[in-house]
Amino acid sequence: NAGVTQTPKFRILKIGQSMTLQCTQDMNHNYMYWYRQDPGMGLKLIYYSVGAGITDKGEVPNGYNVSRSTTEDFPLRLELAAPSQTSVYFCASTPRLAGSFGYNEQFFGPGTRLTVL
Amino acid sequence: GNSVTQMEGPVTLSEEAFLTINCTYTATGYPSLFWYVQYPGEGLQLLLKATKADDKGSNKGFEATYRKETTSFHLEKGSVQVSDSAVYFCALRVGFGNEKLTFGTGTRLTIIP
Repeated sequence: NAGVTQTPKFRILKIGQSMTLQCTQDMNHNYMYWYRQDPGMGLKLIYYSVGAGITDKGEVPNGYNVSRSTTEDFPLRLELAAPSQTSVYFCASTPRLAGSFGYNEQFFGPGTRLTVL
Repeated sequence: GNSVTQMEGPVTLSEEAFLTINCTYTATGYPSLFWYVQYPGEGLQLLLKATKADDKGSNKGFEATYRKETTSFHLEKGSVQVSDSAVYFCALRVGFGNEKLTFGTGTRLTIIP
């Protein structure tokens, strides 16, 4: 299994440009997440999905869109890039719910470092 | 709301030193607590977890005990190695049916030979 893969690894955008960050997992996980990690800050949840066709907002969704047409893929779209979106973006996935005191580990991709100038 | 406060970094230690990274939390409900580690150039991976009060999580020589009375989950290791150099994140999840995590700011650890 490749696990969670993300492309690209690095990208520089100009203000106002658009791009899609790709995320794919081959573990048949139901739940997928997008986080951003700003310098000196913890990870903030942007969007998440509990299965194909179902997405919901996290803490910081403004300026982003997502879709989940298949179990494997969960792309993140930036429509009008702004300098405030300069960050490292992580995609993660986890299996279905583990029960009251169980926990299914979140598996993270290696990240995409995005700079908006 | 839910929040996690971690010890400010960066932390630099000599090999074989004792490590403590402090983590305290605020949560509504009954949280599960986690430590994730991020090695250079990689994504985060789960290091250890504790799902209820007084549980001790352990892995790779690291330990952390879920202390409800002090709302803490401090990470410890008796003798660190150069390979432990990484960023360590404390995180929590509240309740059942919610797989969303709240992360601390991370603590960068560097071990000098």
